[in-house]
Amino acid sequence: AAGVIQSPRHLIKEKRETATLKCYPIPRHDTVYWYQQGPGQDPQFLISFYEKMQSDKGSIPDRFSAQQFSDYHSELNMSSLELGDSALYFCASSLASGSGETQYFGPGTRLLVL
Amino acid sequence: SQKIEQNSEALNIQEGKTATLTCNYTNYSPAYLQWYRQDPGRGPVFLLLIRENEKEKRKERLKVTFDTTLKQSLFHITASQPADSATYLCARRGSQGNLIFGKGTKLSVKP
Repeated sequence: AAGVIQSPRHLIKEKRETATLKCYPIPRHDTVYWYQQGPGQDPQFLISFYEKMQSDKGSIPDRFSAQQFSDYHSELNMSSLELGDSALYFCASSLASGSGETQYFGPGTRLLVL
Repeated sequence: SQKIEQNSEALNIQEGKTATLTCNYTNYSPAYLQWYRQDPGRGPVFLLLIRENEKEKRKERLKVTFDTTLKQSLFHITASQPADSATYLCARRGSQGNLIFGKGTKLSVKP
């Protein structure tokens, strides 16, 4: 079965640079979530989209923005990167019109800011 | 505040034994709880969901219980194997449809 795809898997950036992370949800899933997981931490919710519209925001810095496109893939744009942005970034998808409770996570993008 | 807590950061057991992981919640009544497995550097993988009106749910060697009196969910792995070594996350639904995770319990199964 198709899973959530994320790219790139690894990314190294300098401070103050920008980064774009991509997520391709499971086909026919209508909801996408972004999470950030710091070292030794649990995943923290950043932002979500339902049917290509921003649904909710969590603890997402103003330097970050995201969108979902017509093909349902989503991109997380991160600007003015800081050392503290180094983390694993996960995308998850679910089918809201189904049970909606279970989220399927991608393999993550490991971002290192130097 | 509404909390979900996994009090054990780590659990070490011998192969073949049953691993029992605990998830406690306070100041709210979740309609359901979920358990995920996460391997290092990888995304969480859904294992089981249990609703508040369900006492127990099973899937192969996995069993989860939900005790609304104790405000607790227990996650059991029977006949544990070294391949079961991972971090196990308890999660509840947040107000925005997102998942709110506990800190996780790192399980190590020794041969």
